[in-house]
Amino acid sequence: AQSVTQPDIHITVSEGASLELRCNYSYGATPYLFWYVQSPGQGLQLLLKYFSGDTLVQGIKGFEAEFKRSQSSFNLRKPSVHWSDAAEYFCAVVLTGGFKTIFGAGTRLFVKA
Amino acid sequence: NAGVTQTPKFRVLKTGQSMTLLCAQDMNHEYMYWYRQDPGMGLRLIHYSVGEGTTAKGEVPDGYNVSRLKKQNFLLGLESAAPSQTSVYFCASSDYNNQPQHFGDGTRLSIL
Repeated sequence: AQSVTQPDIHITVSEGASLELRCNYSYGATPYLFWYVQSPGQGLQLLLKYFSGDTLVQGIKGFEAEFKRSQSSFNLRKPSVHWSDAAEYFCAVVLTGGFKTIFGAGTRLFVKA
Repeated sequence: NAGVTQTPKFRVLKTGQSMTLLCAQDMNHEYMYWYRQDPGMGLRLIHYSVGEGTTAKGEVPDGYNVSRLKKQNFLLGLESAAPSQTSVYFCASSDYNNQPQHFGDGTRLSIL
């Protein structure tokens, strides 16, 4: 079955440390890929997207993500986490020609001082 | 710049009651979506619309109905609320199916 997997339900990192959030998808073709962030009590906000071309994409708030076709992965990274990055992060995919976005279950990020 | 506005923000219903959630967008987007968010399950698509006057079923459509009479509005209805429909509901819009979606701040709905 087609799916998006975020293996980590929650992650805790120290402020200033680096961050990597994992995302894997199971589709035959390369889909459109997205990362969204959700702060408490708010809707989702787009961090970055990948459609084609350079496999390393830059987003807002200092985030980047790398698409690896061989691993069917689209992991999100940030070199130095700030306390304000504490939130829930969702990976999402849209199949080429499809109408629906499939979201992963989310990874909640905790940042400790 | 309002973006996507959902009303109401909170609501408590009794089992069997009906209600309508309203979503309005001011970005002239063609596509609109209704999701529900439950702990550990991400967002699940209830219904969506690819343009004014159109609606289609998503992943979990049972117990819900929708209408898109005007391009800027997408209504989600619960005809007979059930406790299993307790959730946070999000509306989103996009100008095409593969473009990023813009989300409202959600409606927290409790069914007693």
